[in-house]
Amino acid sequence: QKEVEQDPGPLSVPEGAIVSLNCTYSNSAFQYFMWYRQYSRKGPELLMYTYSSGNKEDGRFTAQVDKSSKYISLFIRDSQPSDSATYLCAMRVRTGANNLFFGTGTRLTVIP
Amino acid sequence: EADIYQTPRYLVIGTGKKITLECSQTMGHDKMYWYQQDPGMELHLIHYSYGVNSTEKGDLSSESTVSRIRTEHFPLTLESARPSHTSQYLCASSDRSGEREGRDTQYFGPGTRLTVL
Repeated sequence: QKEVEQDPGPLSVPEGAIVSLNCTYSNSAFQYFMWYRQYSRKGPELLMYTYSSGNKEDGRFTAQVDKSSKYISLFIRDSQPSDSATYLCAMRVRTGANNLFFGTGTRLTVIP
Repeated sequence: EADIYQTPRYLVIGTGKKITLECSQTMGHDKMYWYQQDPGMELHLIHYSYGVNSTEKGDLSSESTVSRIRTEHFPLTLESARPSHTSQYLCASSDRSGEREGRDTQYFGPGTRLTVL
């Protein structure tokens, strides 16, 4: 069983839609959760970084962590064509841990 | 925007050649990493470094080697490239001094897409 499961999509939505991206994980020791955005032919770019359970909001993006269900989500409000990218979830047990455990990524296309 | 650079961005090379993928960062980060990314697969850590003269292998076995002679520079070398080495290689760095406050997130370079024929 993989440490982190992520639906690869692809996901296509019209401009202005609310997008929900999700990951599940099996290791209850994970405490730090990240979402990266990766444009085609570029490296991953950190979008959101959260610790433990709860919500974190940054502009149109909201990250949610539910440790009891081992489930994390990224919501994008008022989606824009510039949001078209692959979204990777990542997590680790502690700060300073070298290994980030990544999902396989969800490919999102926002249609104008 | 993270100041981490990788060259070349794309490389097509024949089997048996020796190659070096360059990675440099201007943020003064202590820790640096190399990941391998294949289509539809998760990123896998192949090497990391805590600082100058420190290198360790990651979870994914790799025939590549790395060196860390300068803080800002973390090159990856393949002595004899093979088609199985075809992949995207991503370099990343993080600030070890930010670990206690949870500010040691990893920042990625743009990647080198390697094709071995």
